[in-house]
Amino acid sequence: DTEVTQTPKHLVMGMTNKKSLKCEQHMGHRAMYWYKQKAKKPPELMFVYSYEKLSINESVPSRFSPECPNSSLLNLHLHALQPEDSALYLCASSQFDREKQFFGPGTRLTVL
Amino acid sequence: SQQGEEDPQALSIQEGENATMNCSYKTSINNLQWYRQNSGRGLVHLILIRSNEREKHSGRLRVTLDTSKKSSSLLITASRAADTASYFCATSTNAGKSTFGDGTTLTVKP
Repeated sequence: DTEVTQTPKHLVMGMTNKKSLKCEQHMGHRAMYWYKQKAKKPPELMFVYSYEKLSINESVPSRFSPECPNSSLLNLHLHALQPEDSALYLCASSQFDREKQFFGPGTRLTVL
Repeated sequence: SQQGEEDPQALSIQEGENATMNCSYKTSINNLQWYRQNSGRGLVHLILIRSNEREKHSGRLRVTLDTSKKSSSLLITASRAADTASYFCATSTNAGKSTFGDGTTLTVKP
């Protein structure tokens, strides 16, 4: 299994909602990443987990809360988002950090 | 601005021609990677070149890295319509931080 899966594919939420994005990989990778990508822009790194520990937080607002329950799973909990948070959220994994990353197809998030 | 800047922003060529994209960055890196993205979907890793390497090949791809100039180039030879996509360079620091360049949109006309 050489793929990263993300659910849901699309998500529409109001500013008062709480929702979660889920990412899963079964390649035995020990690093996992969350990126945010706006239309026609490059992906922007949000968080990095290495060996299930948060190693990088790129000063992301607290309304985004990452969680790594085990080495195969990565969640991104969303609460009180703003319309400007609407974007494609990409998850990636790599064998170790700094190595080539395998990306999931992304979750397209719309905040109303 | 972002760590990685790419040029050109957009490139349009005929099938069979070669395409060259350039990437510049600002800080010290552990490695530099190139990715392809089709129509706002997930990214696909193309090639990784480490800071102590100068050139790398993979199929029709050739990547060069000049750490003294903090720049890299990606050459796609004998392009095909299926190569139409956005191409991003991404630098990785020793601390594990990845930063993507602004990207080059490549259109290959049949």
